[in-house]
Amino acid sequence: QVQLQESGPGLVKPSQTLSLTCTVSGGSISSGGYYWSWIRQHPGKGLEWIGYIYYSGSTYYNPSLKSRVTISVDTSKNQFSLKLSSVTAADTAVYYCARAYGPGLYWYFDLWGRGTLVTVSS
Amino acid sequence: EIVLTQSPGTLSLSPGERATLSCRASQSVSSSYLAWYQQKPGQAPRLLIYGASSRATGIPDRFSGSGSGTDFTLTISRLEPEDFAVYYCQQYGSSPLLTFGGGTKVEIK
Repeated sequence: QVQLQESGPGLVKPSQTLSLTCTVSGGSISSGGYYWSWIRQHPGKGLEWIGYIYYSGSTYYNPSLKSRVTISVDTSKNQFSLKLSSVTAADTAVYYCARAYGPGLYWYFDLWGRGTLVTVSS
Repeated sequence: EIVLTQSPGTLSLSPGERATLSCRASQSVSSSYLAWYQQKPGQAPRLLIYGASSRATGIPDRFSGSGSGTDFTLTISRLEPEDFAVYYCQQYGSSPLLTFGGGTKVEIK
């Protein structure tokens, strides 16, 4: 059974870079057919897609965050990572990693990590 | 930029009642790329429906999805106590490629 687990600092200072890693267990990130994604949720708010990466390294980012986001993959460790630069209090959110099936006949997120709260504060 | 508007914002119903949730897109969305999720407090979202009307694995048949173009609906035929949660629709394909609706909270009346 494939599982996702986010890890990283829960507190980041303003103007610094937020770094999170998602570890995939129970399956290979290189198996293909899935896009490995980051999604965030501001406290009490809805969901915002940040971006995704394929195991080959190709990426696609939300244009609203593109200038500050980097998503990378380490197939040897079965992990993918998120870096968000120049953070402000507006980046305080629960960050989820998720697996997306698509874009073939369908597109959907079928597997999610439990999420990790990242607070931006000095 | 495509916007998904969910209504109502909050739905107050009793167990056993029928819930009808709406997701309206500002531009046409491919039915294949419209999904619905359920989120309970402190938990990650869970996939309910994909392709507008296909139930995900393990989802009870009281959940159903329908719609096309710009109007999509999630229906819960008879609310069970565990169904009180927030529901999100999500589309893929239109700029900014992937968006979620603002959510509908289904609360106990």
